[in-house]
Amino acid sequence: DAGITQSPRHKVTETGTPVTLRCHQTENHRYMYWYRQDPGHGLRLIHYSYGVKDTDKGEVSDGYSVSRSKTEDFLLTLESATSSQTSVYFCAISPAGSNQPQHFGDGTRLSIL
Amino acid sequence: AQSVAQPEDQVNVAEGNPLTVKCTYSVSGNPYLFWYVQYPNRGLQFLLKYITGDNLVKGSYGFEAEFNKSQTSFHLKKPSALVSDSALYFCAVRAPNYGGATNKLIFGTGTLLAVQP
Repeated sequence: DAGITQSPRHKVTETGTPVTLRCHQTENHRYMYWYRQDPGHGLRLIHYSYGVKDTDKGEVSDGYSVSRSKTEDFLLTLESATSSQTSVYFCAISPAGSNQPQHFGDGTRLSIL
Repeated sequence: AQSVAQPEDQVNVAEGNPLTVKCTYSVSGNPYLFWYVQYPNRGLQFLLKYITGDNLVKGSYGFEAEFNKSQTSFHLKKPSALVSDSALYFCAVRAPNYGGATNKLIFGTGTLLAVQP
């Protein structure tokens, strides 16, 4: 498996609280991505990064922010969690080169009560 | 709009029989196509990709996929299914004018493959 670690693996929290998920890679890949997985929707891109301090929005970015201060770390923050953000969150990485696949971490299961 | 469709939510097959998981896409330009597999409580694992060249591509665990440009399809196949192949399968596409050098992908909604002993 690609060297991707997501933390925490499980989290339960309450509506209105801030939540930060961490993705750490040891592959030195340029691109990093955050997805959410929900039944009937497959994977949807939240935010992605194309370099240190270079990030952009995906298709479901509302309510989420990201930061990448080092190549190896990509943080996803829910400033004020809502129940609609209950989901499984996956981080993925990809090297430069348009024909390269993405490789995924094992996910964070987030429940917001 | 760019899109990927997996028309079957679930595919059931008996062990030893051939299996097909369907995928169609709608993109402008020549697509890059990918298949991933997801086992319970795990992330997606890359199986195979089509970039250019031979329409039949071979991947991990005995899987292969056939690219058909006229039908805009990229079906996943395996000649003889195993019970251990039971998992969730995702098709994904990258269009030349979507994502570009950022390697962004569009995913289908997934197909659950159930292989009965």
